[in-house]
Amino acid sequence: GENVEQHPSTLSVQEGDSAVIKCTYSDSASNYFPWYKQELGKGPQLIIDIRSNVGEKKDQRIAVTLNKTAKHFSLHITETQPEDSAVYFCAASRVSNYQLIWGAGTKLIIKP
Amino acid sequence: KAGVTQTPRYLIKTRGQQVTLSCSPISGHRSVSWYQQTPGQGLQFLFEYFSETQRNKGNFPGRFSGRQFSNSRSEMNVSTLELGDSALYLCASTDGAGGETQYFGPGTRLLVL
Repeated sequence: GENVEQHPSTLSVQEGDSAVIKCTYSDSASNYFPWYKQELGKGPQLIIDIRSNVGEKKDQRIAVTLNKTAKHFSLHITETQPEDSAVYFCAASRVSNYQLIWGAGTKLIIKP
Repeated sequence: KAGVTQTPRYLIKTRGQQVTLSCSPISGHRSVSWYQQTPGQGLQFLFEYFSETQRNKGNFPGRFSGRQFSNSRSEMNVSTLELGDSALYLCASTDGAGGETQYFGPGTRLLVL
């Protein structure tokens, strides 16, 4: 079946540095790719998403890139801050099928 | 708008018992999805309900079931609880049109002893 692989499982970066999390999907018909952030004790929250007709999307310090040919997409966080520490999940879906396929998550640790 | 609410927030049960969890979606949202989250296992999809009908189902045993009411509120039930069912159960709502943001509740943490 369809799956999404996410790497790394844990990422530790110095405050102020950049962080990159990568995901690879198997279903070539996937056309919607959201990223969620889960803080301790809370449910995941959408931070950015991209659709397959776009190669890159930015929102302040966060950006997502999509390579449809290679079937992978990445989350980039620049100038990391302590509040960026959380677990990040990527997901993929076909808009027609209503179901997200989730990556296993990346625990991002920002070192002061 | 009020967010997704889940009750109860915490629950302790013993093996063999059953449990019912409740989820109230954002007003106007017609789709509710349920997930099981265990440490290191990410989000495992249980099922999705749209307009009172189960539209998608994950790979969980029949002990896990759900339903949705006409006001879009949803419940999930787990019968004959096992120790491995200890997890955070999350629900998420969308308006059901496909491919858009899922809004998650805070989850119900279930501990099975």
